[in-house]
Amino acid sequence: DTEVTQTPKHLVMGMTNKKSLKCEQHMGHRAMYWYKQKAKKPPELMFVYSYEKLSINESVPSRFSPECPNSSLLNLHLHALQPEDSALYLCASSHPGGGETQYFGPGTRLLVL
Amino acid sequence: RKEVEQDPGPFNVPEGATVAFNCTYSNSASQSFFWYRQDCRKEPKLLMSVYSSGNEDGRFTAQLNRASQYISLLIRDSKLSDSATYLCVVNSRNTDKLIFGTGTRLQVFP
Repeated sequence: DTEVTQTPKHLVMGMTNKKSLKCEQHMGHRAMYWYKQKAKKPPELMFVYSYEKLSINESVPSRFSPECPNSSLLNLHLHALQPEDSALYLCASSHPGGGETQYFGPGTRLLVL
Repeated sequence: RKEVEQDPGPFNVPEGATVAFNCTYSNSASQSFFWYRQDCRKEPKLLMSVYSSGNEDGRFTAQLNRASQYISLLIRDSKLSDSATYLCVVNSRNTDKLIFGTGTRLQVFP
């Protein structure tokens, strides 16, 4: 089973709201990722967790706050977002260590008003 | 210079055609190479990994030339369902970070 699930599928939020995106995998992967993708652009890496510890933060603004409660779950907490943060947010997972295939979830399509 | 470069296309080809995509990467320390496919408004999905010896999966053939830092994907007998964006993806040694090309758009018409 190479399934990564994400909820919600769609999210509309105001700039003062607080919301969370959720990601889950049961493939035994110990590396999990958040990406942001704008239309007609490739995915941009935001965060990497390896063995439940944050290993890469690609200089993402603090209004995005990741959390990895256990080896199967990854959250992205959103607060005080801007309209330009509207995008598709993709979660992925892989075995850690470099060079491994990453499997993507279906994404959450976020609209910030 | 971008770390991974691809021709953005679009490539418009008739059903049954053979089409080739190319990709170059700048970091000679790159260790792993992939082609992902992404349909409109969907997530990227692994099409195939790319090995130095070349590899084939049905109508798809991938090649890697480490000396020239060049990766290719050949699609034979194109189907309408092959219409998608093809992403060239490279991973650096000892890091979990994938570097994506901008993608090549393929449109197969009847």
